[in-house]
Amino acid sequence: GAGVSQSPSNKVTEKGKDVELRCDPISGHTALYWYRQSLGQGLEFLIYFQGNSAPDKSGLPSDRFSAERTGGSVSTLTIQRTQQEDSAVYLCASSLVLGPETQYFGPGTRLLVL
Amino acid sequence: QKEVEQNSGPLSVPEGAIASLNCTYSDRVSQSFFWYRQYSGKSPELIMSIYSNGDKEDGRFTAQLNKASQYVSLLIRDSQPSDSATYLCAVSLNDYKLSFGAGTTVTVRA
Repeated sequence: GAGVSQSPSNKVTEKGKDVELRCDPISGHTALYWYRQSLGQGLEFLIYFQGNSAPDKSGLPSDRFSAERTGGSVSTLTIQRTQQEDSAVYLCASSLVLGPETQYFGPGTRLLVL
Repeated sequence: QKEVEQNSGPLSVPEGAIASLNCTYSDRVSQSFFWYRQYSGKSPELIMSIYSNGDKEDGRFTAQLNKASQYVSLLIRDSQPSDSATYLCAVSLNDYKLSFGAGTTVTVRA
């Protein structure tokens, strides 16, 4: 079956612009996670969804970051007024049930803020 | 102090040798430990999970966990060029959050 998909695969934007990153989880997966991977850094947890709810938003780096999930499926991560330090690969993962194991990762969106 | 620390590498080993990767973590309440493999430009792929002290073997991979020392390792036996990748150590702090190390890049020389 289809895996986790993300779009766009690459995004170049100018500082100050808003960007939207999309994640389509594996069908039927109730949990969805967003991570950020900066150059030379490990994955940094941003936020997770159980259904359409995001119980823990503490990983979001600033109030410029927000995320939503609709219909228990697609999720969008929005970064407002992008800064150069936002440049990173944004990875989405999903799992059948909430849990650390069997998180299947998507290919990521590579964001470059000029 | 970072939650999860790994030797940054790179680690270069000849084909057929054992690659040894180390990881330490700071939170004693951590219960679940994982190793992910990430090929360049690709997404992470889970290769091993371990929950209790001791060794866990899966094919050419062996994970070792020592909770008293807050240490987890990964051994890759009979290393192959296809094992060349970055290996990420991850620790679960609760039901949903994984904390990752920065990764160790392994190069297997043919």
